[in-house]
Amino acid sequence: EAGVVQSPRYKIIEKKQPVAFWCNPISGHNTLYWYLQNLGQGPELLIRYENEEAVDDSQLPKDRFSAERLKGVDSTLKIQPAELGDSAVYLCASSLMFGAGAYNEQFFGPGTRLTVL
Amino acid sequence: AQSVTQLDSQVPVFEEAPVELRCNYSSSVSVYLFWYVQYPNQGLQLLLKYLSGSTLVKGINGFEAEFNKSQTSFHLRKPSVHISDTAEYFCAVSDSQGGSEKLVFGKGTKLTVNP
Repeated sequence: EAGVVQSPRYKIIEKKQPVAFWCNPISGHNTLYWYLQNLGQGPELLIRYENEEAVDDSQLPKDRFSAERLKGVDSTLKIQPAELGDSAVYLCASSLMFGAGAYNEQFFGPGTRLTVL
Repeated sequence: AQSVTQLDSQVPVFEEAPVELRCNYSSSVSVYLFWYVQYPNQGLQLLLKYLSGSTLVKGINGFEAEFNKSQTSFHLRKPSVHISDTAEYFCAVSDSQGGSEKLVFGKGTKLTVNP
C-alpha cells in the first residue's frame, strides 16, 4: 500500500515568489493534515481537513497561505508571496477518522523542503 | 492547552549502550502520548503510543516507554542501541477526549549512536 505522497520533495525559490506543495493521502483516508516543521523544531499543525472541509485552520497564516482539498482526496498548500522565514519543511499527514474521541493514527509523508532565498 | 518538553536536544551514545530520551507534558485533561522517529529527509514514523491501560508500552525496533501520570512524563528507553537508531525523536501529546487529531509535538531529541 502506498504511503502519503508529497511533491516536490525540494523547492528553492526567491522571496516574493509564489510556491505550491501537493499531497496525496493514503487511499481511503478522510482526514488530511498540513504541518510546518522549522529547523530544530517539532511539527506544528497548519490546517486539518475532514473530507473537503477545513475543520481546523486556526494556525494557518491566512494573509499569505492558502490550502484546498476540493474533492476530499489530494490537497494543495500555497504560499503567496513567500518570505525568507517560510524556509522550512512542510509535512502532510493523513488518517482514517472513525469518530471523535477515538484514536486515529496519523501517517506522515516525507515532506517538502522549501528554501526561500 | 497541551505542551511537551523534551529535556535533551541532543543525546550521543555508543553502540549497544542503553538510552533514555526524556519527555514531560503539560495538560489539564487526560491525554494520549506518542513517540515518533524521523530519519534524515523522511517523514515521521510512529514508534509507540499510550492510549490507556498498562503504563509500560512497547513499540517497534525494541523501544519502550513508561507513562507516569504523577510526574507527567513519558520517557523513551532502549536497552541496547544500534547505529541505525541514529535519528530525531519527537514526543507528542493529544487530548484523549477530542481524539488524536490535534497532535502537539516537542522540539525533538537528536539521538546519535557512535561506533
